[in-house]
Amino acid sequence: KAGVTQTPRYLIKTRGQQVTLSCSPISGHRSVSWYQQTPGQGLQFLFEYFSETQRNKGNFPGRFSGRQFSNSRSEMNVSTLELGDSALYLCASSSGIAGVYGLRDEQFFGPGTRLTVL
Amino acid sequence: SQQGEEDPQALSIQEGENATMNCSYKTSINNLQWYRQNSGRGLVHLILIRSNEREKHSGRLRVTLDTSKKSSSLLITASRAADTASYFCATDRISNFGNEKLTFGTGTRLTIIP
Repeated sequence: KAGVTQTPRYLIKTRGQQVTLSCSPISGHRSVSWYQQTPGQGLQFLFEYFSETQRNKGNFPGRFSGRQFSNSRSEMNVSTLELGDSALYLCASSSGIAGVYGLRDEQFFGPGTRLTVL
Repeated sequence: SQQGEEDPQALSIQEGENATMNCSYKTSINNLQWYRQNSGRGLVHLILIRSNEREKHSGRLRVTLDTSKKSSSLLITASRAADTASYFCATDRISNFGNEKLTFGTGTRLTIIP
């Protein structure tokens, strides 16, 4: 089974621009979560999508948005980029249904997209 | 904000020695997981321990959980150079909708000296 893939792997943008990152989950997985990792704030949860619906959201400004398509692939968008948005953006996929039974799905992480804002 | 704080922030040991990392968290949890990250890459899941479990083993890994103290420890025995990485604990609470977000600790940077 192919793992979680993220594109692009590296991205350089300037302040004020917008960016779209893509994540393809493991085949059969319906849940995709996004995380931001910075040296100062560590790993922080952005949002989770399940069957094209946002199921959970972290404490990030509205400039950060996402969506999920019918094939479970997900994109996240950051508009009006700021220097502080420079980070490693990680995507994780899981089946997403174990929670219904009080269990925990293992989340499988992609390699990340390294975004640098100049 | 971080749910967990990990201790120590950095640890250097000789190959073959055991490495112990600790994680403390703030709120009640359903599960606690440990992840490894190599050089700013994606995270690799190591082990999950449920709130009603006290200890779990996986190969050279041993995880303990003390819910009364809201803390967990990860022990790596007989360390190898390949164990050099950052280690994170992550906690979650499961809702009726499914998996709650993972809340990560600050991480421990482990360096194994050959």
